[in-house]
Order: sequence, then structure tokens, then C-alpha cells
Amino acid sequence: AQSVTQPDIHITVSEGASLELRCNYSYGATPYLFWYVQSPGQGLQLLLKYFSGDTLVQGIKGFEAEFKRSQSSFNLRKPSVHWSDAAEYFCAVGATGRRALTFGSGTRLQVQP
Amino acid sequence: KAGVTQTPRYLIKTRGQQVTLSCSPISGHRSVSWYQQTPGQGLQFLFEYFSETQRNKGNFPGRFSGRQFSNSRSEMNVSTLELGDSALYLCASSVTQGTNEKLFFGSGTQLSVL
Repeated sequence: AQSVTQPDIHITVSEGASLELRCNYSYGATPYLFWYVQSPGQGLQLLLKYFSGDTLVQGIKGFEAEFKRSQSSFNLRKPSVHWSDAAEYFCAVGATGRRALTFGSGTRLQVQP
Repeated sequence: KAGVTQTPRYLIKTRGQQVTLSCSPISGHRSVSWYQQTPGQGLQFLFEYFSETQRNKGNFPGRFSGRQFSNSRSEMNVSTLELGDSALYLCASSVTQGTNEKLFFGSGTQLSVL
């Protein structure tokens, strides 16, 4: 069965600092990997996704993520965080041909001025 | 283009009652998925519908059911509500089925069971 681990429940960074959110997955084949962001009281918005090809993927809002098969990781990064990035971030893994995504427990990002 | 619309936004029910939640996908989208989000269990997949047929189902009891209409609108129903059913229920739509499609999420229906 597939699973996703986000080891950091809560992260606080200063505005302008760099950010890395960790995600480790467990899946038998090549996974479909996603990062979503959720603002309070809102649904989820897709930041980026990885299916195949270049292991460094670019997303919206200046985010990027790197797929590392050897480490079963798909960490999300941003070089300079803005106050508006404060939200909860979810990593998810999907199986080929199936809609059902398995989400991690989320990382809540707080941005200090 | 209008996004995914979920109604109602908030709902309060008592144990033992049943509830129906509605989801209108983005125009042209034929796949609708439902997820339950709770502080304890996080985001969990309920089911997916495509062209009025249930394609996948998560590990939830039979009290949770759904359907999709010919216009792709979807409803989910929870019967005999339990306190643990209190959650944010999220609907997501996409053009087709398959994991490589981008999911568009609604803002959810916040269900409170008293």
C-alpha cells in the first residue's frame, strides 16, 4: 500500500528566508507525486506534480520540488518565502490509473515578519 | 470559468440523522472525487465518479455513499451520522479519470455532528 510521510508538523520561517518541506513516500512502482497547499477554510490548490522525466519540477508561486528515487523523497522548496505563503502544505502520492490520492498529514507553515 | 462549487458550506446535524452534500464540478469536467479531512485522520479518499459510475472507493463504511448525475454534478450521502463523521468534506473535479489529471478542489462542506 502506498503511504506518505511529512515529518514536520509545523515549520516557522522568516519572510525572505528559504524553505524546504520534507516528504517521503512509499510506493512499489514509479509514483505520481503532488504538492498541494491549503489556506484556512479553503480547498486544496495544486502547486506542482511529478510523473516522469526531469526530477526537478517547477510549480506555481515560485515553488519547486525534487524527486529523489533513491531516498523516496519529494521535497518542496522555495528560495524566498513571502508572508502570503503561510498555509498548510500536503504531499500526496497516486497510483497509475487511479484517482485516489494518498495524502501526508500536512506541514503547517508560519511566516514571521 | 466557475470553480468547483460545494453546498452547503456549513452543516450541523445530530447523531443518527443523515446528510446529503452536493458538488458541482467545473464545466466540462466529468470526474468527481470526494475526500474527508479530519484533524486526526487527515485527508482520506472516499470515492470517485466518472460518467455516472463509481470508479474507485476508499475504506469507508457503507453508510457513506454517493452518486453522479448526467450533468456530472455529484452528491454524497452519509446515513446514521456518528460523532466521528464531523469533518471537512472536499470535492475535486477533473476532465477525465486517471491520476495524471490535475484535480481542482472546492472549498468543502464543514459538517459538524452533535
